[in-house]
Formats: sequence, structure tokens, C-alpha cells
Amino acid sequence: KAGVTQTPRYLIKTRGQQVTLSCSPISGHRSVSWYQQTPGQGLQFLFEYFSETQRNKGNFPGRFSGRQFSNSRSEMNVSTLELGDSALYLCASSVRDAGYNEQFFGPGTRLTVL
Amino acid sequence: AQTVTQSQPEMSVQEAETVTLSCTYDTSESDYYLFWYKQPPSRQMILVIRQEAYKQQNATENRFSVNFQKAAKSFSLKISDSQLGDAAMYFCASSMYNNNDMRFGAGTRLTVKP
Repeated sequence: KAGVTQTPRYLIKTRGQQVTLSCSPISGHRSVSWYQQTPGQGLQFLFEYFSETQRNKGNFPGRFSGRQFSNSRSEMNVSTLELGDSALYLCASSVRDAGYNEQFFGPGTRLTVL
Repeated sequence: AQTVTQSQPEMSVQEAETVTLSCTYDTSESDYYLFWYKQPPSRQMILVIRQEAYKQQNATENRFSVNFQKAAKSFSLKISDSQLGDAAMYFCASSMYNNNDMRFGAGTRLTVKP
């Protein structure tokens, strides 16, 4: 099975712009979670999508949004970019049955905001 | 709320020796999971080992084992017979039952000396 893929791998944007990141989960996985990783704040949960519905949300401003399509692929959007949004954005997919679900991570998208 | 604390920013070990990485956590939940993830320089997060809170037996995966002290809310990772390929950032994480919102510690950078 192919692993979780994220595109693009690298992005450079300027303040005020918006950006869309994409995540394709492992085949058969219906849940996609997004995380932000920065040197200062570490790894922080952004949100989880399951069956096209946002299931959980972390403590991020409304500039961060996401969606999931019927094929389980997910996109994350950040509007009005700020310098502090520079980070590695990781997505993780899982089957999402009850109880424990191992989350498999993608390689990440490195976003740099200038 | 869940919090995870890793108090060792960096650790080093000689190849073939044993090293223990520390982690403490805090949660009010009775059903939860604990994880150790490895993030090599390639950035891909890889699950090393997981522990269900309701299980008293410590989890073991080949050279990796944990010391789970539920009352003390401690969850350390022991790596035996360390190999050069074990060099990476190691993150301790927790999640509640049936919830993909994982909370991560700040990480421990492990260096393996030949």
C-alpha cells in the first residue's frame, strides 16, 4: 500500500497570502488529521476530518481551515498568512474504527512565510 | 486536558549500549493511549511503540520497550543495543480513547555515537 502523501513538499509565500496544502491518505483510511510543527510550539493538533466532516479541532484561529473530499483526500487552507505560520505541516491518516487507531504520518509540507 | 512533558531535550548513547528516554503526562481520562514516535532527519514520523492505559504489562517491540508507571503518570522508552539508525527526535504522545487528537511532548534528540 502506498503511504500518506502530501503536496507540495515545500512552499514559500509572503505575508497576507493564502495557501492550500493537500494530503492523500492511505487507501481505505477515512480519517485525516493535521498537525503543525514549529521549533517554538512543537507539534500541535490542528483538526481531524472523518467522512467529510470535521470531527475534532485544536486551538488555532479561524484562518486555519480544512476540508475532506469523498475520496478521503484532505486539504488544509491558511488565509492571511503571518510570519508565525512558518512551520512543517504534517497530516496523518487512520482507519478510524472505535478505540485505537494507529495514525500514519506523511512526510510533511514545509511552509515558509516571508 | 492532556499534557505531555519530556524533560530531556538531548540524549546521547554509544552504539550497542542502552538508553532510556523519559516522559511524564497528565490526563483526567481513564481510557487513553501513550505513544513514542521517532522523527529522523527525513521528517517522517514513525510509530515506535504504543501502550494502552488499561494494560498493566509494559509494551515491547524488538529492541524498544517501555516502563509504564500509571500511578506516577510516567512513560519512559528504553532502547537496547542502540544502532546508528536510531538517531532521531523522539516524541512522547498521548491520546484519549477513540480520539485522534494526539498531544505531543517537546521531543528528545537522540544521538548515537559509533
